[in-house]
Amino acid sequence: NAGVTQTPKFQVLKTGQSMTLQCAQDMNHNSMYWYRQDPGMGLRLIYYSASEGTTDKGEVPNGYNVSRLNKREFSLRLESAAPSQTSVYFCASSKVLGSNQPQHFGDGTRLSIL
Amino acid sequence: AQSVAQPEDQVNVAEGNPLTVKCTYSVSGNPYLFWYVQYPNRGLQFLLKYITGDNLVKGSYGFEAEFNKSQTSFHLKKPSALVSDSALYFCAVRDGSSNTGKLIFGQGTTLQVKP
Repeated sequence: NAGVTQTPKFQVLKTGQSMTLQCAQDMNHNSMYWYRQDPGMGLRLIYYSASEGTTDKGEVPNGYNVSRLNKREFSLRLESAAPSQTSVYFCASSKVLGSNQPQHFGDGTRLSIL
Repeated sequence: AQSVAQPEDQVNVAEGNPLTVKCTYSVSGNPYLFWYVQYPNRGLQFLLKYITGDNLVKGSYGFEAEFNKSQTSFHLKKPSALVSDSALYFCAVRDGSSNTGKLIFGQGTTLQVKP
């Protein structure tokens, strides 16, 4: 079973370019999340979706947009990429927002902005 | 506000020796506590959690963690370290009193186990 699948795995962009990071889960989870991981800073929540049809800002939403396309898919868009957005991006899912169940993570997208 | 601190950037231990990775937390309600492990170029993998009940919780790969309410700590332990345990470890906390609380991660601790 695949769990959480992220595409692409690697991407290099130039400043000002746009791109969409894709995420899909096959665990029938209601809630999905986007995090960024930077050295020494742990994971920081960008946006999350408690359920299909809803999205909310996390800790660091500026410069990003999201779409919960359906229950399985949750995409993250950078409209005008900046070097500060160079990071590793992780998508995660959980059965229900706020439950005691752990989140399940994809393997990440490594994004470099030149 | 919730917060998690992992006071050590790196922990070094010899194979076969016990290991401890430290975590302290701050949360206004009931803490839901988690440990995750990250291997190079991979996502985070769930190791164990404390929700309620026994203060000593057991998880995957022989790891365990001790919840200490008075010290607001949730240290990860293993009696005998393996070289394959070398990885990045994250502690995370959520306010269990709120059904909308998000998971807050510590900055991570690199565990290096030497043969």
